[in-house]
Amino acid sequence: QKEVEQNSGPLSVPEGAIASLNCTYSDRGSQSFFWYRQYSGKSPELIMFIYSNGDKEDGRFTAQLNKASQYVSLLIRDSQPSDSATYLCAVRSRYSGNTPLVFGKGTRLSVIA
Amino acid sequence: DTEVTQTPKHLVMGMTNKKSLKCEQHMGHRAMYWYKQKAKKPPELMFVYSYEKLSINESVPSRFSPECPNSSLLNLHLHALQPEDSALYLCASSPSLDRSSEQYFGPGTRLTVT
Repeated sequence: QKEVEQNSGPLSVPEGAIASLNCTYSDRGSQSFFWYRQYSGKSPELIMFIYSNGDKEDGRFTAQLNKASQYVSLLIRDSQPSDSATYLCAVRSRYSGNTPLVFGKGTRLSVIA
Repeated sequence: DTEVTQTPKHLVMGMTNKKSLKCEQHMGHRAMYWYKQKAKKPPELMFVYSYEKLSINESVPSRFSPECPNSSLLNLHLHALQPEDSALYLCASSPSLDRSSEQYFGPGTRLTVT
């Protein structure tokens, strides 16, 4: 069973702090990793993707991938109340055939002003 | 332009009705998807079309019938739904089904079955 695990939260951080969201996956064949942000009642929005070990930065967001430990994380610097949302980790496996993405259950982030 | 559009935004239907959800993208993507999402749950894959051919059907009940008239359009025909089918229905597209694809979601249709 290919699984993607996330802490459901809520993760509460003060405004201006760094929010750290974590995701582990069970399938070592996983190749592509994605972070989606979903506001309540809205559709998921792709914010980051990462394919290689290490860090990838885009503005206030940094995705970190460690394939040996099978985890991927998302750091949000200078957190803002507008970052309050559910963050979905999604993983695509090399061995998943036509199955596009496996989603985690999401972590709810609350940034307190 | 990474836009996927869906209509209608909201739909209320009775269990005997027939309705359709529509999805459109103009990004030249060749893979399109239907997902169902219940509250506080992740999206659940229903169907995948690749190059206008049905590639994946995740054992979805026959009261849901997908259709891909062309590379830009994806429909989901609904008939004899149950109240438990009430959910947010999301359409997504990606350049292709290959492993490096990233999916872009439409805004969704909020479906209520009465």
